[in-house]
Amino acid sequence: GIQVEQSPPDLILQEGANSTLRCNFSDSVNNLQWFHQNPWGQLINLFYIPSGTKQNGRLSATTVATERYSLLYISSSQTTDSGVYFCAVPYSGAGSYQLTFGKGTKLSVIP
Amino acid sequence: KAGVTQTPRYLIKTRGQQVTLSCSPISGHRSVSWYQQTPGQGLQFLFEYFSETQRNKGNFPGRFSGRQFSNSRSEMNVSTLELGDSALYLCASSPDSFYGYTFGSGTRLTVV
Repeated sequence: GIQVEQSPPDLILQEGANSTLRCNFSDSVNNLQWFHQNPWGQLINLFYIPSGTKQNGRLSATTVATERYSLLYISSSQTTDSGVYFCAVPYSGAGSYQLTFGKGTKLSVIP
Repeated sequence: KAGVTQTPRYLIKTRGQQVTLSCSPISGHRSVSWYQQTPGQGLQFLFEYFSETQRNKGNFPGRFSGRQFSNSRSEMNVSTLELGDSALYLCASSPDSFYGYTFGSGTRLTVV
């Protein structure tokens, strides 16, 4: 199956700082999602980004499918940005797709 | 529109018991997938249902099963619970599995 690696595993930021999270994948993909898992466990969809760049407020994401990586940018971080960020790619199995997740980046934003 | 709804939110069961978790997808979504999240193994795919048929299954023992109803609501069942089944169980819905997924808030199962 496909391998997904995220870096860094942990990140501590001062409120207001910027950060870049990276996701590498081992095979070509036709889709990629970034999620934020809040302290209550819910996975919040941030971006559905098979290629190119998308922006949503202080967050933006870029996927370079030909080089098998995606980046998530967080600008002017806030304490509410704390949590675990996952990237996931679909893996085709038995006629449908299942998401393969990276191990996540745990972000802590301190005031 | 309403999101993905999972019930119950928390559950405590005893070893050997069985448990049923429920998931109501976003209206119009026909694909429902289940994932298990543990600190050691991370997020792992359990199975996917589409139009009441299981299309895909992850590498879990037969104690884990599921089904989908005609209204796309899905249930998963775990029989003969083991301590290692303690986890957060997440349900995700999609118009079809090729497209993006939306996740519910999860059911946190504790087996004692």
